[in-house]
Amino acid sequence: ILNVEQSPQSLHVQEGDSTNFTCSFPSSNFYALHWYRWETAKSPEALFVMTLNGDEKKKGRISATLNTKEGYSYLYIKGSQPEDSATYLCAFNTNAGKSTFGDGTTLTVKP
Amino acid sequence: NAGVTQTPKFRILKIGQSMTLQCTQDMNHNYMYWYRQDPGMGLKLIYYSVGAGITDKGEVPNGYNVSRSTTEDFPLRLELAAPSQTSVYFCASSYSRSDTQYFGPGTRLTVL
Repeated sequence: ILNVEQSPQSLHVQEGDSTNFTCSFPSSNFYALHWYRWETAKSPEALFVMTLNGDEKKKGRISATLNTKEGYSYLYIKGSQPEDSATYLCAFNTNAGKSTFGDGTTLTVKP
Repeated sequence: NAGVTQTPKFRILKIGQSMTLQCTQDMNHNYMYWYRQDPGMGLKLIYYSVGAGITDKGEVPNGYNVSRSTTEDFPLRLELAAPSQTSVYFCASSYSRSDTQYFGPGTRLTVL
């Protein structure tokens, strides 16, 4: 079983705060690392996919970095808004196609 | 494109009953996945497929079976339902192993 860990488990911030989460994954058999955003009663939606060590991706106020040698990825949200409230999942893909998700970080942004 | 569709949306089963959860994608994706989501937990991989005719076990395959006779369909079979299989089931697909997974709307299953 591949161990993908996310921290913190939950986070409460005020509107306008910047925040970041961590995803830790095995450094062997790495193929890709995904970040998803999952709102209550909906299906997960893709944010980023990263495949190369040192990758950095950005979409609006959200960005992510990848370190495959040490096995971690960070997701950053700048100036959090209430609509950013969701669970953020990371998923680790091996070169065999197997996909393992972390348990997620649940973000609550208070107005 | 409809994307990934799942049926049914909700189902209640009695212990020992069988059922098949249907999953279809119209994006010509090679990779398909079945996950379950238990309360307060993330997604656990049950089975996955890298193409028609090829399936493999994920983290929690016990009590489930799958088949992949076509590119579009990836049904999940529960043979003898148990209360431990009460969960929300998500099907997903992707073009390749590094591509984004697209998720269906989920099936909420309760076993009583």
